[in-house]
Amino acid sequence: DGGITQSPKYLFRKEGQNVTLSCEQNLNHDAMYWYRQDPGQGLRLIYYSQIVNDFQKGDIAEGYSVSREKKESFPLTVTSAQKNPTAFYLCASNPGRIRNQPQHFGDGTRLSIL
Amino acid sequence: ELKVEQNPLFLSMQEGKNYTIYCNYSTTSDRLYWYRQDPGKSLESLFVLLSNGAVKQEGRLMASLDTKARLSTLHITAAVHDLSATYFCAVDVTSGTYKYIFGTGTRLKVLA
Repeated sequence: DGGITQSPKYLFRKEGQNVTLSCEQNLNHDAMYWYRQDPGQGLRLIYYSQIVNDFQKGDIAEGYSVSREKKESFPLTVTSAQKNPTAFYLCASNPGRIRNQPQHFGDGTRLSIL
Repeated sequence: ELKVEQNPLFLSMQEGKNYTIYCNYSTTSDRLYWYRQDPGKSLESLFVLLSNGAVKQEGRLMASLDTKARLSTLHITAAVHDLSATYFCAVDVTSGTYKYIFGTGTRLKVLA
């Protein structure tokens, strides 16, 4: 079955620590996205990538970094510069070039501070 | 700045009643998406609206798009408890990039 796999499901970060959230898709999609969702809030775009080796900042990129070395993978690193990282992180993808497709979402990673 | 606003933010309704959720957006777009999110879960695609006047229906939900008014509606007919969830609309930013802006979400609770 095609889909998006996010891991881990739960993650705890110590102060001053960088952590990396994994996102893998086997849908052969060009575009991938990272969103942050705070309790009772909507989704805010952190980073997005339209093709391999290229990515753009979203609305709240500060304190985060990404890479897109492979089409299937778009990991997100939450750096120590992100002072309030506690949130639900969602990875999504869509075909990209066909602009009438909804996004497919992973099951999310819930990040908390220790 | 592109804004996507939904109202109401919270909706509590009795089973069997009808109601409409509104999604307003502030820039030109001819593609709008509706998603459902259950508590603690990910988002599930409900509808894709691709042109002015588009209408899609699935079960008790019907979505429509008016690009001239920059408005989409999600109408709920004869609500049932299983429809309790948070509903999001999202707009495709037509600026040459594949970027989406999500609305604030409407948390729907259907009371038995």
